[in-house]
Amino acid sequence: DSGVTQTPKHLITATGQRVTLRCSPRSGDLSVYWYQQSLDQGLQFLIQYYNGEERAKGNILERFSAQQFPDLHSELNLSSLELGDSALYFCASSVEGRDNEQFFGPGTRLTVL
Amino acid sequence: AQKITQTQPGMFVQEKEAVTLDCTYDTSDQSYGLFWYKQPSSGEMIFLIYQGSYDEQNATEGRYSLNFQKARKSANLVISASQLGDSAMYFCAMREGRSYNTDKLIFGTGTRLQVFP
Repeated sequence: DSGVTQTPKHLITATGQRVTLRCSPRSGDLSVYWYQQSLDQGLQFLIQYYNGEERAKGNILERFSAQQFPDLHSELNLSSLELGDSALYFCASSVEGRDNEQFFGPGTRLTVL
Repeated sequence: AQKITQTQPGMFVQEKEAVTLDCTYDTSDQSYGLFWYKQPSSGEMIFLIYQGSYDEQNATEGRYSLNFQKARKSANLVISASQLGDSAMYFCAMREGRSYNTDKLIFGTGTRLQVFP
């Protein structure tokens, strides 16, 4: 158990819908990262938050948005869903600035039908 | 641009044998970090080992060791005494240099390792 929690574990929805994925980082970790793992694109970085502020952005679509709340949990919002958004979405957390691993949550598997 | 390359889509190894999974990277930064993660069929990402670009010794964690060759820009994972439970996808990843003000990871495409009895 990495200490990072993600809900829900599985999500099945239809095209055009909107979903919210939730992540709680490890206690004390200020940084939260979102990654998408798909067959087409592999594992790619979406966005990072540090202590409530956006720190870095990757290949995140405009239909996707995220935020980190004062209690440090984060939510990834995916809207106008397309079939190609079906993927495993990981949240990871770390202590910024230290040379150690990022701790990954168990992931949310999103299926868009 | 930073890039991680894993050229072995799949590898087979017999139980109790050692296996090397290849990883090469490309970066212009002097300070960076290299990671290996294991992803079993259940899907979670499990951290295995870390190597910093300034570390002079190769990292080791139990049966895992990282063969770091800085001049060749390679960071191969060596698993000794393979076990059936080692069957999984293995990802090499790189943390971009500190100049980018982020610890985001860039991943390779992965190598699927299958251990047979």
